[in-house]
Amino acid sequence: DAKTTQPPSMDCAEGRAANLPCNHSTISGNEYVYWYRQIHSQGPQYIIHGLKNNETNEMASLIITEDRKSSTLILPHATLRDTAVYYCIVRASYNQGGKLIFGQGTELSVKP
Amino acid sequence: NAGVTQTPKFQVLKTGQSMTLQCAQDMNHEYMSWYRQDPGMGLRLIHYSVGAGITDQGEVPNGYNVSRSTTEDFPLRLLSAAPSQTSVYFCASSYFLQAAGGYGYTFGSGTRLTVV
Repeated sequence: DAKTTQPPSMDCAEGRAANLPCNHSTISGNEYVYWYRQIHSQGPQYIIHGLKNNETNEMASLIITEDRKSSTLILPHATLRDTAVYYCIVRASYNQGGKLIFGQGTELSVKP
Repeated sequence: NAGVTQTPKFQVLKTGQSMTLQCAQDMNHEYMSWYRQDPGMGLRLIHYSVGAGITDQGEVPNGYNVSRSTTEDFPLRLLSAAPSQTSVYFCASSYFLQAAGGYGYTFGSGTRLTVV
């Protein structure tokens, strides 16, 4: 599975868009980009995933660059409840073991 | 639906003691797994199961045993607790195809274990 690099921490003002970057320069053709978040003391929560096209769901948008070497998770209108550690994970689309490799993630603080 | 239930929420053990962390789900998920999370780090996979009677090792299986006699339950056993096993343990479940596809997990709220 490709390695990812994320900034350790970011701040965002409440109501503004939060843009969380992830670098995955060694990603291979069959690997997807997944985003999870972990609110303090809780288990991780799935947010979104994608291969090469931009994806959007009710929680967030995922923008993947054309060369697929980096991506950005966008929370369009951040709230205080979005304060969490966000993990970018790259792995093959099918893994029988269901394995997710979590790095250290980005700690997002949404401030009033 | 209760989701994924982990018990106990907190536990203190002495070195060498054994114990079982319980995990139960009521969503009829085929896939269940155990992760540990150490301070300031991401989660690491200990063991997983793709169905009753089937288990396999993850990244950090040493010192832990699992079994899956029913779809609902996936207990994690610490054979002889060591201080290095002080951690927060999370259980997760999913439908098999969603787990294989990397999404659709439901995580429990965790068990905070301290070994002294």
